[in-house]
Amino acid sequence: DQQVKQNSPSLSVQEGRISILNCDYTNSMFDYFLWYKKYPAEGPTFLISISSIKDKNEDGRFTVFLNKSAKHLSLHIVPSQPGDSAVYFCAASAPNAGKSTFGDGTTLTVKP
Amino acid sequence: NAGVMQNPRHLVRRRGQEARLRCSPMKGHSHVYWYRQLPEEGLKFMVYLQKENIIDESGMPKERFSAEFPKEGPSILRIQQVVRGDSAAYFCASSSQWRTSSGNTIYFGEGSWLTVV
Repeated sequence: DQQVKQNSPSLSVQEGRISILNCDYTNSMFDYFLWYKKYPAEGPTFLISISSIKDKNEDGRFTVFLNKSAKHLSLHIVPSQPGDSAVYFCAASAPNAGKSTFGDGTTLTVKP
Repeated sequence: NAGVMQNPRHLVRRRGQEARLRCSPMKGHSHVYWYRQLPEEGLKFMVYLQKENIIDESGMPKERFSAEFPKEGPSILRIQQVVRGDSAAYFCASSSQWRTSSGNTIYFGEGSWLTVV
C-alpha cells in the first residue's frame, strides 16, 4: 500500500511558465510534508516543507500548498527555469515516526 | 564539507560477495536513515538508527541486510551474499533530532551506487 503517491511520472513546461507538481497521501496521521529535488547520479536535495498547521509555505520561486481535507499537496515553481529540470519527490512523516515516506517522483522538464 | 558523506560512491561486487556502505551524518546530527532506490523506482525507506540503536528497521529485507551506527564512526549498511537484485542506489540521510511537533527535515548524501555482476 503506497501511502504517498505522485500520479504524474513526468511533466514538461516552457521556461518562464508555472510548474505544478502534485502529490496525494492516504495516511491521515501524516502531519509534515517535504519536497526534494534530485538530479541524476546525485542525492535528493531538500527544497521546501510544510507542517499540517499551515496550508501554504513559500520560499522564493517555490510554494507548497497543502489541502488536508483532500489529502493533497502541490509544489508550484514560478517562473520555471531550465535548471529546475530534475526529479521531484514528495515525502511525508507522522508524529513519533522519524522516517519520511516518499512518493515515486515526477520528472520535470523545463524547455528553453 | 559539513554535509552527509557517503562512501564509496560506486561499488561493484560479484554475486555472493559482501557490500559495505558507509555514511557519516552531518555535523551535529545523531539520526541516520538509509533509503534504497532501485532502477526506475522511488526512494524506499530501509532503516532508521540513532547512535548504537536501531529505531525502525521496518523496510529492511529480512535476510542478508544489516545496519549499525556505532558510538564512534560512521553508520554502515552491510549486504551479505549480494545478488543482482541488490543493484541500486543507496542513500543515507541524517537529521539533528527526533521528530518534533514542527516536523523533521532529513538531509541526504550523494548516494552509493552498488552494481552486482
